[in-house]
Amino acid sequence: GESVGLHLPTLSVQEGDNSIINCAYSNSASDYFIWYKQESGKGPQFIIDIRSNMDKRQGQRVTVLLNKTVKHLSLQIAATQPGDSAVYFCAESSGGSYIPTFGRGTSLIVHP
Amino acid sequence: KAGVTQTPRYLIKTRGQQVTLSCSPISGHRSVSWYQQTPGQGLQFLFEYFSETQRNKGNFPGRFSGRQFSNSRSEMNVSTLELGDSALYLCASSFRVGKVNTEAFFGQGTRLTVV
Repeated sequence: GESVGLHLPTLSVQEGDNSIINCAYSNSASDYFIWYKQESGKGPQFIIDIRSNMDKRQGQRVTVLLNKTVKHLSLQIAATQPGDSAVYFCAESSGGSYIPTFGRGTSLIVHP
Repeated sequence: KAGVTQTPRYLIKTRGQQVTLSCSPISGHRSVSWYQQTPGQGLQFLFEYFSETQRNKGNFPGRFSGRQFSNSRSEMNVSTLELGDSALYLCASSFRVGKVNTEAFFGQGTRLTVV
């Protein structure tokens, strides 16, 4: 994972569109991945997780895709709503380590 | 089920003072981790406690310390505060299952401002 810089990558979408947020990780030993959503003034909120023995997992309106070959993770949000506006973080951890490494975060802005 | 509770929500301290932050994990969770979040550095891991013992530690100076009680509640302490310690301090709890990682649930955080 990388540190979050002053300028977060930003994704702007229209309400109703599908959103795709990407995350690259560097540790090939990482075997557990989580997406978090953080709204302004709040702590990160768990969205969905995936283990390395899977390449896709679906939740309510969200899908996480894992490509271990290129060490890439993505979060797809269907029918994006204004309430989805937030900063989204991916986090990775490897077996035996309970300390996730957080990515830099992506700011999602949903326009009504 | 109650979520992770952090107190206080906001704090203003002056340089040189010390501060203690509190975290009550989700019932049944025995692992508590602390993070510092700043715009410039993002989410930085401070330390993790499990069964009253510090299991992992991040790269922070010794002014940052913590402890965990028998009921899994945790406190972190920052002594000799510096302006750069101004940040959102987040606590996360998780339910360890052997060596299998599980998701961490975060509290709302404590916003510390050092003046």
